[in-house]
Amino acid sequence: DTGVSQDPRHKITKRGQNVTFRCDPISEHNRLYWYRQTLGQGPEFLTYFQNEAQLEKSRLLSDRFSAERPKGSFSTLEIQRTEQGDSAMYLCASSPSSSSPLHFGNGTRLTVT
Amino acid sequence: QQQVKQSPQSLIVQKGGISIINCAYENTAFDYFPWYQQFPGKGPALLIAIRPDVSEKKEGRFTISFNKSAKQFSLHIMDSQPGDSATYFCAASSPGAAGNKLTFGGGTRVLVKP
Repeated sequence: DTGVSQDPRHKITKRGQNVTFRCDPISEHNRLYWYRQTLGQGPEFLTYFQNEAQLEKSRLLSDRFSAERPKGSFSTLEIQRTEQGDSAMYLCASSPSSSSPLHFGNGTRLTVT
Repeated sequence: QQQVKQSPQSLIVQKGGISIINCAYENTAFDYFPWYQQFPGKGPALLIAIRPDVSEKKEGRFTISFNKSAKQFSLHIMDSQPGDSATYFCAASSPGAAGNKLTFGGGTRVLVKP
């Protein structure tokens, strides 16, 4: 399977802990997106990378959130000092160009207790 | 601010029937309108997409109708099958630094009864 891969699939953590998620995009897709999806809602844009450059961040991305894509391949999303409101599905998507559709991974479901 | 409004939130249709989902948008800069299908525990998967230079696009049992002046677009699922039971999201994007960054509607949960 050469689709977008996300790890872990599920993460349960206690409030105040830090968590990190990983996304491996489709090979040679230079555009990578992070979205957050809460139960019963549509995905909301968090941030976007073109190669290793983070070009846009949503105001939803508070200073507790940080994303990296160090070599323009895989990306990580870290949440520091997690809060219960951070509980959601975190989706990663990739695309080879601005005119191509987004391909989503199956997400990481975060539960903050 | 919800830039893409989707309705209904849920619908039930008999096998063989037609499912219709509607979306309205506010941003006139949007120029790409995809529909995504999502099954429980999975990420959204692209179903069909349209650009505003055409009013209708059909792929198999799925049709998008687009009304630029009304800023509305809809998805029609013909001959609905139980396997179509899923959540459907409309989305829109505009040209910009984030290229194909998508703004999603709230989703419609479709249940097709056998």
